[in-house]
Amino acid sequence: QITLKESGPTLVKPTQTLTLTCTFSGFSLSTSGEGVGWIRQPPGEALEWLTTIYWDDDKRFSPSLRSRLTVTRDTSKDQVVLTMTNMDPADTATYYCAHKMRYSSSDPFDYWGQGTLVTVSS
Amino acid sequence: DIQMTQSPSSLSASVGDRVTISCRANESISHYLNWYQKKPGIPPKLLIYSTSSLHSGVPSRFSGSGSGTDFSLTINTLQPEDFATYYCQQSYNILFTFGGGTTVDIK
Repeated sequence: QITLKESGPTLVKPTQTLTLTCTFSGFSLSTSGEGVGWIRQPPGEALEWLTTIYWDDDKRFSPSLRSRLTVTRDTSKDQVVLTMTNMDPADTATYYCAHKMRYSSSDPFDYWGQGTLVTVSS
Repeated sequence: DIQMTQSPSSLSASVGDRVTISCRANESISHYLNWYQKKPGIPPKLLIYSTSSLHSGVPSRFSGSGSGTDFSLTINTLQPEDFATYYCQQSYNILFTFGGGTTVDIK
């Protein structure tokens, strides 16, 4: 059974760097075809894809946020870490990590963490 | 960048209705289109992937169709638990974009 859980600060100040950790179980990110994505949803707004990291350490980023994002994996701990620099109140959102379905050409996210609300405020 | 436009942005329907939601890409995305259901306080739930494949455990009243730039999600015989917001998501070139969402509420 695949599970994911996000952890990190609930409040960050403007200009600070956000670091979120996704701890997962039920799969290995070193197995061919696996991937983990980060998606966020500001209050009252739509879902927004941020980044996906793959089993071969390939990484894809939202073009609009690429300069602010870093994603890394620790296969020994079954964790993926997202960092986002220069946080702004507009980055206030619920941040989700999600498992990318294996063996599907459209790379859907089939398992999701519960999400963590991050508020950016001084 | 590929932009996804959903229509309508919201609709009101009754239990038992048939509902269709549209999703349009600004360039061809082949079949690389997924659909999710989102309820407040609950993570998104995958419904349909690769345009028309029903995800495991999803009721058969949900179906998807389309290709290229125009796609749709249909809910046959709307149930009380289907009142939610629905999002399409494209994954062409392994860069993902979500649509703006369609909220289905009770008439």
